[in-house]
Amino acid sequence: GQNIDQPTEMTATEGAIVQINCTYQTSGFNGLFWYQQHAGEAPTFLSYNVLDGLEEKGRFSSFLSRSKGYSYLLLKELQMKDSASYLCAVRDGDYKLSFGAGTTVTVRA
Amino acid sequence: IAGITQAPTSQILAAGRRMTLRCTQDMRHNAMYWYRQDLGLGLRLIHYSNTAGTTGKGEVPDGYSVSRANTDDFPLTLASAVPSQTSVYFCASSDEPGQGSNEQFFGPGTRLTVL
Repeated sequence: GQNIDQPTEMTATEGAIVQINCTYQTSGFNGLFWYQQHAGEAPTFLSYNVLDGLEEKGRFSSFLSRSKGYSYLLLKELQMKDSASYLCAVRDGDYKLSFGAGTTVTVRA
Repeated sequence: IAGITQAPTSQILAAGRRMTLRCTQDMRHNAMYWYRQDLGLGLRLIHYSNTAGTTGKGEVPDGYSVSRANTDDFPLTLASAVPSQTSVYFCASSDEPGQGSNEQFFGPGTRLTVL
């Protein structure tokens, strides 16, 4: 089975930085994804990591350590519109995605 | 059509009734997926199809069936709905599974309530 853990909730101030951690234990590994989901909407793709290291994309960065089964999503210069759920998902050996329960980030003024 | 669409947007259904949720994509993606999303549990895979004519079971397939007669459409059927199937259902599609990032694109979702 798959086991993907991430914090349930995080709160931060506008302009600040927030780091969302994700740990995983899966049968096989073919990449880790982060998705953003605003309330009542569909998830949208943010980032993909398959090799160890940091991937930077504007204000968002994602890090992966395969040996530790660990990833984080870093959100910099937080804006009110970043208030959303952030979903960590691992693609397993059969190329199917397993999702964590999601982390709800609330940005306060 | 642009991207991936689902119908209906929402539905209230009596227990025991049959219901088909529709999903159509125009991106010519080979792979399609059905998920349910429940509070505190995240997205869970119900069924998937890697290419037209083939389907497979996901994590929570019981009570659901799918078909993939062509590339564009991937309907999900509840043969006899039960209250535990109350959920938000998302359809998704992606290019060849296992090649590069090939992220999944999600439809807007169907909110289903079974009474």
